[in-house]
Amino acid sequence: DIMMTQSPDSLAVSLGERATITCKSSQSVLYSSNNNNYIGWYQQKPGQPPKLLIYWASIRESGVPDRFSGSGSETDFTLTISSLQAEDVAVYYCQQYYYTPWTFGQGTKVEIK
Amino acid sequence: EVQLVESGGALVQPGGSLRLSCSASGFTFSSHNMHWVRQAPGKGLEYLFGISPNGRDTFYAGSVRGRFAISRDDSKNTLYLQMSSLRTEDTAVYYCVKEGGTPTFYWGQGTLITVSS
Repeated sequence: DIMMTQSPDSLAVSLGERATITCKSSQSVLYSSNNNNYIGWYQQKPGQPPKLLIYWASIRESGVPDRFSGSGSETDFTLTISSLQAEDVAVYYCQQYYYTPWTFGQGTKVEIK
Repeated sequence: EVQLVESGGALVQPGGSLRLSCSASGFTFSSHNMHWVRQAPGKGLEYLFGISPNGRDTFYAGSVRGRFAISRDDSKNTLYLQMSSLRTEDTAVYYCVKEGGTPTFYWGQGTLITVSS
């Protein structure tokens, strides 16, 4: 199985400041035939299911604010929240869907400093 | 509007069995791969099973292989997870997930299974 390692485990950022989460996969998730990286980023708030923010590593899901962005390729990926808002307090997960079983990072808890 | 509603969650004794259902609406269920993912209390996300349209192919993780089984009834727009020989470590919220379309991955609200004597 592909192992996904996120860092940091938790992050405290001031309102309006940037938050950056990294995710590393144990093998490349770039499919050469379509040049897509099979990476998703999710936001999960307490008592709610995960909500997809980013797919194909960098494509923002419809309705997701543009302060959320994804980048990276092959094995190294980043989720950036450009200007943290109070409603962004949550746990964030990366996911690889290149292979089944899908595997997820351990999660990064984002809080307000 | 896409909707996935899981049901069947319960308190069950170790060694027991349970069947979860996921009722889908708002999209063409028969055209999509569907999956089950679980989350133990306070823990991360664990992939369990997936199934292709018509149930032709199934995709599974090793941790529950042999005890759990996935199936679907496209005529009823419903996904199932049959669980047997339940263990305390199976205590979790179980989510069904739609793959493809908009949004790319859509998760139901989940149903809680508690395995305890």
